[in-house]
Amino acid sequence: KAGVTQTPRYLIKTRGQQVTLSCSPISGHRSVSWYQQTPGQGLQFLFEYFSETQRNKGNFPGRFSGRQFSNSRSEMNVSTLELGDSALYLCASSPQTGFTGELFFGEGSRLTVL
Amino acid sequence: ELKVEQNPLFLSMQEGKNYTIYCNYSTTSDRLYWYRQDPGKSLESLFVLLSNGAVKQEGRLMASLDTKARLSTLHITAAVHDLSATYFCAVIFNFGNEKLTFGTGTRLTIIP
Repeated sequence: KAGVTQTPRYLIKTRGQQVTLSCSPISGHRSVSWYQQTPGQGLQFLFEYFSETQRNKGNFPGRFSGRQFSNSRSEMNVSTLELGDSALYLCASSPQTGFTGELFFGEGSRLTVL
Repeated sequence: ELKVEQNPLFLSMQEGKNYTIYCNYSTTSDRLYWYRQDPGKSLESLFVLLSNGAVKQEGRLMASLDTKARLSTLHITAAVHDLSATYFCAVIFNFGNEKLTFGTGTRLTIIP
């Protein structure tokens, strides 16, 4: 069974640009959640999508947005990049919403903002 | 404020010894995850604890949840080098909007 796939794995952007990251969940999983990991702030929850609807949201500014498609694949977008957005972005999939089951994480997308 | 605190932050222990990592959280919750992360890698799910008094064991690791004390423990028995990693707990807080809040992590190094 294929795991959670995130693309791209590595990318470099400059301040002010925008970036889109992609996450393909495990087949049959309908929940996708996103996380940011930095050395200073640790792991932080961004948002969760289930059946194309945002169900839960963390404390990030509106520059961070996401969406989910009918095949459960999800994208995350960050606009007007800042240096502090440099991080490892992880997504996780789960069969159900509401953090009631196991989360399966992808390998992450490492974003560097110059 | 939603806070999840782990201690210790760093733990160096000898092979064969036992130790416990603690995860305290600030507000009522009855759901908690434990994860392992190797350097440069993603998160690997260890345990999902979904009720007060839940206890789960896998190999040399055992996790428990006491929702009244707002405390979860991850106990390591007879540590081996392969257990060297960073361990995170994550608590689900629900205020109409569910948030998964991670602890700071415990970097565990097992010394032969």
